[in-house]
Amino acid sequence: DTGVSQDPRHKITKRGQNVTFRCDPISEHNRLYWYRQTLGQGPEFLTYFQNEAQLEKSRLLSDRFSAERPKGSFSTLEIQRTEQGDSAMYLCASSPQGAVAEAFFGQGTRLTVV
Amino acid sequence: RKEVEQDPGPFNVPEGATVAFNCTYSNSASQSFFWYRQDCRKEPKLLMSVYSSGNEDGRFTAQLNRASQYISLLIRDSKLSDSATYLCVVNTHTGRRALTFGSGTRLQVQP
Repeated sequence: DTGVSQDPRHKITKRGQNVTFRCDPISEHNRLYWYRQTLGQGPEFLTYFQNEAQLEKSRLLSDRFSAERPKGSFSTLEIQRTEQGDSAMYLCASSPQGAVAEAFFGQGTRLTVV
Repeated sequence: RKEVEQDPGPFNVPEGATVAFNCTYSNSASQSFFWYRQDCRKEPKLLMSVYSSGNEDGRFTAQLNRASQYISLLIRDSKLSDSATYLCVVNTHTGRRALTFGSGTRLQVQP
């Protein structure tokens, strides 16, 4: 399968715990995005990488959130001291270089904070 | 005001009907426009790009009005399999390079 893959698909955690999600983009794509989606809403932008450089972070991304893409390939999103409001689907997408470029999404990681 | 606004629906239409969705965007610097489709509990997938001159892909027609900052999607001869949420998406190319999504319009096609 050469699409975007995310791991884990589901995560249930207790409030206050740290969680880390992984995203493997399509191999030739140099752009990688993280989005968060809650029920009834469209995906909300969190952060964007071009190769290993994190070029933009949303105001939604509090200090408890950190993302890395150390070698310009896979990326991780860590949430520290999780809160119930962090419960959502976390979607990763990748796209090739280019002004008008389709973003391909992974199946997402569904986080439930109890 | 949201950057991309859509009527959330749901639009309940019978098979074979024609249905139109509208979307407005606030950033006049937006340069790329798309419609994505999202099935329940699945990831969004590109349905079609939207070009200034308008474009058609089978039963789907997309239109862009830059002056009014308005995008539309027309679905003709609706099928049961068209039932999904349709997301309007824009990209500015400068500043934020990530796609900005609307909240989506839910379509339910009924037999």
